[in-house]
Formats: sequence, structure tokens, C-alpha cells
Amino acid sequence: AQRVTQPEKLLSVFKGAPVELKCNYSYSGSPELFWYVQYSRQRLQLLLRHISRESIKGFTADLNKGETSFHLKKPFAQEEDSAMYYCALSRGGGFKTIFGAGTRLFVKA
Amino acid sequence: DSGVTQTPKHLITATGQRVTLRCSPRSGDLSVYWYQQSLDQGLQFLIQYYNGEERAKGNILERFSAQQFPDLHSELNLSSLELGDSALYFCASNPGLAGGQDTQYFGPGTRLTVL
Repeated sequence: AQRVTQPEKLLSVFKGAPVELKCNYSYSGSPELFWYVQYSRQRLQLLLRHISRESIKGFTADLNKGETSFHLKKPFAQEEDSAMYYCALSRGGGFKTIFGAGTRLFVKA
Repeated sequence: DSGVTQTPKHLITATGQRVTLRCSPRSGDLSVYWYQQSLDQGLQFLIQYYNGEERAKGNILERFSAQQFPDLHSELNLSSLELGDSALYFCASNPGLAGGQDTQYFGPGTRLTVL
């Protein structure tokens, strides 16, 4: 069965510190992995997807098929990064996307 | 702005009642997805429609139903409401095509409060 696990419900770091939001998945095929972000009072939006291999707002995520992980990282956290982050998995082909439970990131001044 | 719209923004109702939530997808998107977001459950996938037909079902209760109309807007019907149904209900859309990107574009959500 497809599953996305985000082990941390809340992550609190100081501004300027590195941050890593963990995501592990279970899927037998080759999934597409995503990170979505929800800032306060805003709608959920795509942050990045593994296919694009890009860095958005200083965040990167590498798909590790051996460890079935897709951790989100940023070397220096900013206060404006405080938000809810969801890791998500899709099997492609326009079918449903499975979301993790989410991690709330709080960046302290 | 992602282009996905949802109405109403807020809905307050009583237990046992029935409500209808509406979603209009982005122009050109054929797939609509419904999610329930509650504090303790995170984002739960409910159901997906593609071009008017049900494509995938998630953790949707029998008291809930949905449909997608010819103009591609979708409605989520919640009946015999219980206190535990209080949540934020999101709609998302994408082209939904095989081989196409699976990025989902979310609406602002409808906050349902059952008293």
C-alpha cells in the first residue's frame, strides 16, 4: 500500500539554523514525490517536486530510493519559512496523491 | 492565485444536517480532488473525479458523496453531520492526464463547523 510518513508533527529551529523535514514513503513502483507548503492564511501550494530537481526558496529535497526517503532541507532557516509542510506521493498518470500528516515548522527569531 | 475556487468559505451547521460544498477547478483541468483537513488527521484524501467520472476513492464516509458536472465543477455533499465532521475541506485540480504532471492546485478551502 502507498504510504507517506512524516515522523515529526512539529519542528522548531532558530533563524539561521539548518532545517530538515523528514519524509519516508512506501510504494512498490516508481513514485513521484512532492513537497507542498501551507503558509498561515494561505492555500496549500506546491513547493517542489523531485522530478524537477530544483531549489525553491532555498529548499532542496533528494529522492533516496534505497532509504525510501524524500527529506526536505534548507541550510539556513528564515522566519518566513514558518508554515505547515506536507510530503506527498503520486504514482503518476493523473491518479490520486497521498499526503503525509504534515510537519509544522516554526522558525524562531 | 491557482484559479481553483471554493464556496462557501465558512459553513456553520448543526448535527444531523446536510451541506453541499462547491468547487470550480482551474480552467482546462479535468480532475478534481477532495480532501479533509483536521487537526489530528492531517490531509486526508476523500475522492477524485476525472471528466465527470469517479476515478479514485479514499477515506470517504458513506454519509459523504460527490459528483462532477459537465462544466467540470464538483460538489461534495455531507449528510447526517456529526461533530467530528468539523474540518477544513479542500478541493484541488489538475489536468489529470496520463503522462502529465501530477502537481495539484488547491482551492482556499471551506471551513465546516458542526455544532
